[in-house]
Amino acid sequence: SQTIHQWPATLVQPVGSPLSLECTVEGTSNPNLYWYRQAAGRGLQLLFYSVGIGQISSEVPQNLSASRPQDRQFILSSKKLLLSDSGFYLCAWSIGGHPGNTIYFGEGSWLTVV
Amino acid sequence: GQQVMQIPQYQHVQEGEDFTTYCNSSTTLSNIQWYKQRPGGHPVFLIQLVKSGEVKKQKRLTFQFGEAKKNSSLHITATQTTDVGTYFCNYGGATNKLIFGTGTLLAVQP
Repeated sequence: SQTIHQWPATLVQPVGSPLSLECTVEGTSNPNLYWYRQAAGRGLQLLFYSVGIGQISSEVPQNLSASRPQDRQFILSSKKLLLSDSGFYLCAWSIGGHPGNTIYFGEGSWLTVV
Repeated sequence: GQQVMQIPQYQHVQEGEDFTTYCNSSTTLSNIQWYKQRPGGHPVFLIQLVKSGEVKKQKRLTFQFGEAKKNSSLHITATQTTDVGTYFCNYGGATNKLIFGTGTLLAVQP
């Protein structure tokens, strides 16, 4: 069966510090991978999605970046965090090559920028 | 571009009352999915609708896809406290870019 792991689960970072959130998927090949952000009490904002290694589509211009160094690994990064980067970050995957398929989410990472 | 509105943003009901959330699109959708996010948790897939006019049921939950495939609804009969959470529609459809509606937060008072 497929599983998705995301870490760290929570982190508190000072403004201006770097960020790295990592996500891995097991039990499937060539998945579509996604990073979403959810501010407190708000909806799910799509940040990045990837249909293959090295292929990243950015949806919102900001100080975040994403990378996919391996087929089932998706990393969200920032060189300098802003207060507005605080939120709940969710990694997700869906079956590759099949648009409109079910999305499976990781447990999420709570980021507080102070 | 495509715009999808989800209403209401928030609904507070007494336990036992019914609840409905709607997802309305300005363009035709190839399919629509519904997800539930419990407080503090991550969204979990509930169902996918593909056909025009499709109706699916899961116990007390009824999902509908409009005839024109521009709107969808999720109806909960006789809400329970376990129904608390945020309900999202997702309408990525024929692309890999999967967008979620703004969500409806349901609060159920015992």
